[in-house]
Amino acid sequence: AQSVTQPDIHITVSEGASLELRCNYSYGATPYLFWYVQSPGQGLQLLLKYFSGDTLVQGIKGFEAEFKRSQSSFNLRKPSVHWSDAAEYFCASHSGAGSYQLTFGKGTKLSVIP
Amino acid sequence: EPEVTQTPSHQVTQMGQEVILRCVPISNHLYFYWYRQILGQKVEFLVSFYNNEISEKSEIFDDQFSVERPDGSNFTLKIRSTKLEDSAMYFCATRGTGGFGGELFFGEGSRLTVL
Repeated sequence: AQSVTQPDIHITVSEGASLELRCNYSYGATPYLFWYVQSPGQGLQLLLKYFSGDTLVQGIKGFEAEFKRSQSSFNLRKPSVHWSDAAEYFCASHSGAGSYQLTFGKGTKLSVIP
Repeated sequence: EPEVTQTPSHQVTQMGQEVILRCVPISNHLYFYWYRQILGQKVEFLVSFYNNEISEKSEIFDDQFSVERPDGSNFTLKIRSTKLEDSAMYFCATRGTGGFGGELFFGEGSRLTVL
């Protein structure tokens, strides 16, 4: 069975600092990988996704993520964090088979210090 | 931007009562999903729905749960007899016809509290 691990439950960064949120997946083949963001009181918004091709993918709001097969990782990065980036971030994957059943990580809550 | 809307945003109910959570999908989307998130835990898949029938369901989706699209627009999740452990945020999600590359659009969620 697939699993997605986000090792960091809560991260605090200063505004303007760089950010990296970790995500590891377990799946034999290359999964479909996603990062979602959930702001307080909001639904889940897709930041970016990876299926194949270039392992560095660009998303919305200045985020990017890099797929590293050797490390089974899909870490999310942003060079300079803004206060509005404070939210919860979820990594998710699916196998590309069946009915698009997403497996989510437990999420990482990001706090931004002004 | 098109969006998935869910009602109610928050419902409090007594154990044993029936609850219906409603979702209005994005108009041209054909694939519908329910996910839930118990407080402090992962977002979990419940069920997928396509062409007026369930495509796939998880172990969580037992006989007390049902889904339907009663009027061709709303997509509902019914919990027949709620239990304390059903307290969670329930997310509706919909997808167009973009294959596995298609984006899943989530609603803002319906928080269910069972007392």
